[in-house]
Amino acid sequence: AQKITQTQPGMFVQEKEAVTLDCTYDTSDQSYGLFWYKQPSSGEMIFLIYQGSYDEQNATEGRYSLNFQKARKSANLVISASQLGDSAMYFCAMREGLYNFNKFYFGSGTKLNVKP
Amino acid sequence: GAVVSQHPSWVICKSGTSVKIECRSLDFQATTMFWYRQFPKQSLMLMATSNEGSKATYEQGVEKDKFLINHASLTLSTLTVTSAHPEDSSFYICSALRGVFTQSHQPQHFGDGTRLSIL
Repeated sequence: AQKITQTQPGMFVQEKEAVTLDCTYDTSDQSYGLFWYKQPSSGEMIFLIYQGSYDEQNATEGRYSLNFQKARKSANLVISASQLGDSAMYFCAMREGLYNFNKFYFGSGTKLNVKP
Repeated sequence: GAVVSQHPSWVICKSGTSVKIECRSLDFQATTMFWYRQFPKQSLMLMATSNEGSKATYEQGVEKDKFLINHASLTLSTLTVTSAHPEDSSFYICSALRGVFTQSHQPQHFGDGTRLSIL
């Protein structure tokens, strides 16, 4: 089974509107972390936000928030007040356990296009 | 500013050449670094986990003799694509984790990637 599933290959949003990018995950570990990364066309991976499995509150970082629903195993990214510079690929990722050598699992990504 | 430096950004070379890509953590020690490969419009594919002072752990299907990884210090890991062929052309990107025993909330810090084109 896929560890991380992103079901939206592409999304369009009007500038200044909010958009939700979906992410579901699969793990039997109690301890895990969920991450969102942004990859512009230039290729670099930019860390956006993190949610821990034991965190009771949804993470927020500026215009980014993470809608964490543990029972549903979903970790959707919400971008408020979209900007043209938000157009990029967005990847959801998960890391299981606590130790250094545990690898990250990435979803297939969602390409977000912000329309002026 | 960038906390992980990856060099070179672009490489174009002839088939049969070996290419070395460097990944450096600039202001922190990184016991663990990861090497990924990314095809156009696809996700990152983990190639190997690089641990300082020990042999890298390769993912299934990745040729160890083809993609040599050396993590000789706490700030440097290198990926050498040996006898590169056109099918090795891709975007290669490294990442590093801060510290020795990082907690699960630590994000990876990525380099800017290397675009490799083999003619």
